[in-house]
Amino acid sequence: ETGVTQTPRHLVMGMTNKKSLKCEQHLGHNAMYWYKQSAKKPLELMFVYNFKEQTENNSVPSRFSPECPNSSHLFLHLHTLQPEDSALYLCASSHSGTGSETQYFGPGTRLLVL
Amino acid sequence: EDQVTQSPEALRLQEGESSSLNCSYTVSGLRGLFWYRQDPGKGPEFLFTLYSAGEEKEKERLKATLTKKESFLHITAPKPEDSATYLCAVPYSGGGADGLTFGKGTHLIIQP
Repeated sequence: ETGVTQTPRHLVMGMTNKKSLKCEQHLGHNAMYWYKQSAKKPLELMFVYNFKEQTENNSVPSRFSPECPNSSHLFLHLHTLQPEDSALYLCASSHSGTGSETQYFGPGTRLLVL
Repeated sequence: EDQVTQSPEALRLQEGESSSLNCSYTVSGLRGLFWYRQDPGKGPEFLFTLYSAGEEKEKERLKATLTKKESFLHITAPKPEDSATYLCAVPYSGGGADGLTFGKGTHLIIQP
């Protein structure tokens, strides 16, 4: 595997389900990010982890819970989501999270909440 | 508050017809400007980073330029495979934040 990988690529869940999105980066980076991309809206930053420590939570509802066990893996735990949470969820990584570094994105997980 | 505005929202060109995409930004202290390409159903693919006014970078048919208020992505003699959404982004200007602020993108269609 190379770059940034995400699983699953597609997910359909009911509002009462609990599911998790997984991201893995193979670039030796130390910072990882979750973004949300909804139709007709720009990418929105959700969370930032730098050296496994959360450094940004962009006012995201508590039904989204991130976890970063090490610098290579990032999870997004989902529970009791709403239909408006349907979107493309993108993971990205960068060398050390200084903001001015290039972020490399995974292919995304397309989430549909019924 | 950081703002990134891209224009036009959509652009349809004939193969070989050159044009430019615009990205205007408002930040307090630019720490870089990023261009990405995004194909349908995929994640953004990195194209260029520009750090200072006057800087230019090229890759195949694409050339990115930067001024103090905006950036342009020039596409010369485009081919159908250049069809994609092109995204522009800047790092947060707030202290301690590490994310990117994105524009809504320009959806480019190149017709054969």
